[in-house]
Amino acid sequence: DQQVKQNSPSLSVQEGRISILNCDYTNSMFDYFLWYKKYPAEGPTFLISISSIKDKNEDGRFTVFLNKSAKHLSLHIVPSQPGDSAVYFCAASGGETSGSRLTFGEGTQLTVNP
Amino acid sequence: NAGVTQTPKFRILKIGQSMTLQCAQDMNHNYMYWYRQDPGMGLKLIYYSVGAGITDKGEVPNGYNVSRSTTEDFPLRLELAAPSQTSVYFCASTSQGELFFGEGSRLTVL
Repeated sequence: DQQVKQNSPSLSVQEGRISILNCDYTNSMFDYFLWYKKYPAEGPTFLISISSIKDKNEDGRFTVFLNKSAKHLSLHIVPSQPGDSAVYFCAASGGETSGSRLTFGEGTQLTVNP
Repeated sequence: NAGVTQTPKFRILKIGQSMTLQCAQDMNHNYMYWYRQDPGMGLKLIYYSVGAGITDKGEVPNGYNVSRSTTEDFPLRLELAAPSQTSVYFCASTSQGELFFGEGSRLTVL
């Protein structure tokens, strides 16, 4: 039962363009969502988060949008840079998985081409 | 700032052997977690702890054991290693919300 899904295993964009990574969830009890970035041979690092009381959160080139009715969130990176090439994980917590337990999606490999 | 430290980084085990993956954090976090990452599968929670002396199972606990005798340390024990336990293991900690991860331990069981 995959409660957090990232349906695109990979995404390729040109430098300077927008990258849009998508994530869907099924558990309506989730109330806190995060994006993590992972480079090869390193642990995931926190990128940006959003609470369910908001529909948008922005941090520099990164913006996360939350559509609660559609149970969908997306991460926008603009402009994309080659250093953004990494695996991006969507994660969620809340309800029965609270206490800071996170449920992760499968990840999307982003490649930004110079 | 060490953060979350995992050892070893790499290990090859034979079927049936046992070993312990070590995890230590110096941020005084109450919550600690063990995840495994298999290709294309994201991170799956093995065990977690909300404080010293308290541990609980996650999604995929079979074949593993943990202990939490101190706030800093959260070792993961594999008994009778099986090929299905070949994976990359990540330890993480938090006080609330954002998780801080170690660099991972790549385990191969042959």
